[in-house]
Amino acid sequence: GAVVSQHPSWVICKSGTSVKIECRSLDFQATTMFWYRQFPKQSLMLMATSNEGSKATYEQGVEKDKFLINHASLTLSTLTVTSAHPEDSSFYICSASQTGISGANVLTFGAGSRLTVL
Amino acid sequence: GQNIDQPTEMTATEGAIVQINCTYQTSGFNGLFWYQQHAGEAPTFLSYNVLDGLEEKGRFSSFLSRSKGYSYLLLKELQMKDSASYLCAVRDSNYQLIWGAGTKLIIKP
Repeated sequence: GAVVSQHPSWVICKSGTSVKIECRSLDFQATTMFWYRQFPKQSLMLMATSNEGSKATYEQGVEKDKFLINHASLTLSTLTVTSAHPEDSSFYICSASQTGISGANVLTFGAGSRLTVL
Repeated sequence: GQNIDQPTEMTATEGAIVQINCTYQTSGFNGLFWYQQHAGEAPTFLSYNVLDGLEEKGRFSSFLSRSKGYSYLLLKELQMKDSASYLCAVRDSNYQLIWGAGTKLIIKP
């Protein structure tokens, strides 16, 4: 089945530094990937849709200069949290869409990256 | 606005059956998904419903009634490993996924 690899699984950084999270589709090409953020005991919040070869589409309220997304190839999308602050601490999850047996576009998720900003 | 409602938490006994409900109000409907998420991990796909009725997949079944804006996930022969959060998500007319907050299922021996 489809596999999405996300790295790193957890990272601790100092306030003011930048952190890059990678998301790779291992056995399929993903023209579109999605980046989510999840706070404890809350639902997934879509941050942006990452399109290969073009600019990402950000959801309302998400700062594009804060959360830089690059989707340079059909198998790799990156999210860079720039000048991270403690309030950016969260669980970030990427996903890619693939058509399943039922014909639906099913999301396959990466394992997630837990970011802690000190 | 768009809204997905599901219970915050449920408790069930190992070996029993549990039904997790999901009601939705969305602008259009293009399918409903159930995902399982263990603590600290990413969600994994469980089921997809786009037509009314019951979809059975092993111990898990999912039901949909579009006219009622209602779905449920049925888990049979509960095992301890089924302790997780179960997320309901609806794809709206713009093919955007609207997520519920998830139902935390606690399985007791």
